[in-house]
Amino acid sequence: KAGVTQTPRYLIKTRGQQVTLSCSPISGHRSVSWYQQTPGQGLQFLFEYFSETQRNKGNFPGRFSGRQFSNSRSEMNVSTLELGDSALYLCASSADRWSPLRSGEQYFGPGTRLTVT
Amino acid sequence: LAKTTQPISMDSYEGQEVNITCSHNNIATNDYITWYQQFPSQGPRFIIQGYKTKVTNEVASLFIPADRKSSTLSLPRVSLSDTAVYYCLVIGSNYQLIWGAGTKLIIKP
Repeated sequence: KAGVTQTPRYLIKTRGQQVTLSCSPISGHRSVSWYQQTPGQGLQFLFEYFSETQRNKGNFPGRFSGRQFSNSRSEMNVSTLELGDSALYLCASSADRWSPLRSGEQYFGPGTRLTVT
Repeated sequence: LAKTTQPISMDSYEGQEVNITCSHNNIATNDYITWYQQFPSQGPRFIIQGYKTKVTNEVASLFIPADRKSSTLSLPRVSLSDTAVYYCLVIGSNYQLIWGAGTKLIIKP
């Protein structure tokens, strides 16, 4: 069974640009969550999608948005990039939105390393 | 709202048992405690989850005292390949996710 895939793996953008990151969850998984990971702030929850609907959102500005498609693939978009957006963006999938609570299991992809210059 | 606190780093030696403690003083009644392991250039990987007392699986044990204000991840007989960052996560029933800052564990030969 293929794991969670994220594309691209590395990305360099300039301040003010926008970026779209993609995540393909494990086959059959319907919930996708996004995280930002930085050395200073650690892992921070961005948002969670289930059945094409955003179910939960972390404390991030509106420049961060996402969506989920009918095949459960998800994209996140960051507009008007700032230097502080440089981070590893991780996607995690789980069978349903309550799997992390019931069993703790969510499966992370390798991440997209975004560098903003 | 629960806040999780864990040591920034720990060292140990191959073959030893390692215990990493996470403090979560304001944990709510229905919150679960989960631990993840992360290697460089990879996403975190689920290790174990518990609610109270002791949980054991093939790779680790999780000890949670009665007041649930802390939890201890126990790794038996560690090897060099256990060198990684270990995260404590408190998950609330309302899907509140509180991640610890991570403990960098270095195993020496």
